[in-house]
Amino acid sequence: EAGVAQSPRYKIIEKRQSVAFWCNPISGHATLYWYQQILGQGPKLLIQFQNNGVVDDSQLPKDRFSAERLKGVDSTLKIQPAKLEDSAVYLCASSLVISQYNEQFFGPGTRLTVL
Amino acid sequence: SQQGEEDPQALSIQEGENATMNCSYKTSINNLQWYRQNSGRGLVHLILIRSNEREKHSGRLRVTLDTSKKSSSLLITASRAADTASYFCAPNTGGFKTIFGAGTRLFVKA
Repeated sequence: EAGVAQSPRYKIIEKRQSVAFWCNPISGHATLYWYQQILGQGPKLLIQFQNNGVVDDSQLPKDRFSAERLKGVDSTLKIQPAKLEDSAVYLCASSLVISQYNEQFFGPGTRLTVL
Repeated sequence: SQQGEEDPQALSIQEGENATMNCSYKTSINNLQWYRQNSGRGLVHLILIRSNEREKHSGRLRVTLDTSKKSSSLLITASRAADTASYFCAPNTGGFKTIFGAGTRLFVKA
């Protein structure tokens, strides 16, 4: 079974530039998550989708971050404009269903450096 | 859901020794999950223990849950260099959100 795919793996940009990350979840997984992980910290949930609807985006900085999951399959996360504090690893995860007992499967992440 | 607090923050042991890390939380839970993150395989789900379970095993992993003390522990027996990673607990109070703490960084010396 193919895992969660993410691209690019690494990205370096200057502050105030824009950047987009792509995620393709495991086939058949209805729930998709985007996390931000700053060095030395645990992952922080940014947004959670159930199919193509948003379940939780309470921690998404909506003035600069946006995410979509068209057709309920793959997803993109965009930052516009980027700030220095956005330097982090962005993890995408998926799970079969939305449940408190679900196991999340994580992608390898995209490491973003903002200069 | 709530954030768990892992303890210790960092742990260094010799290969072959056992490693124990703890997780504390504040309110009643439905279940608690443990995850591992290393550079090779990324973030991986290890085990889920439900609130009515006291102990669960998976290979060299043993997880206990004490709901009266609001705590859980993860024991790795006969540790290997490949166990070097960060370990996170995620207590769940019934919601669909997983909240990760800062984790325990385990270093296993060969």
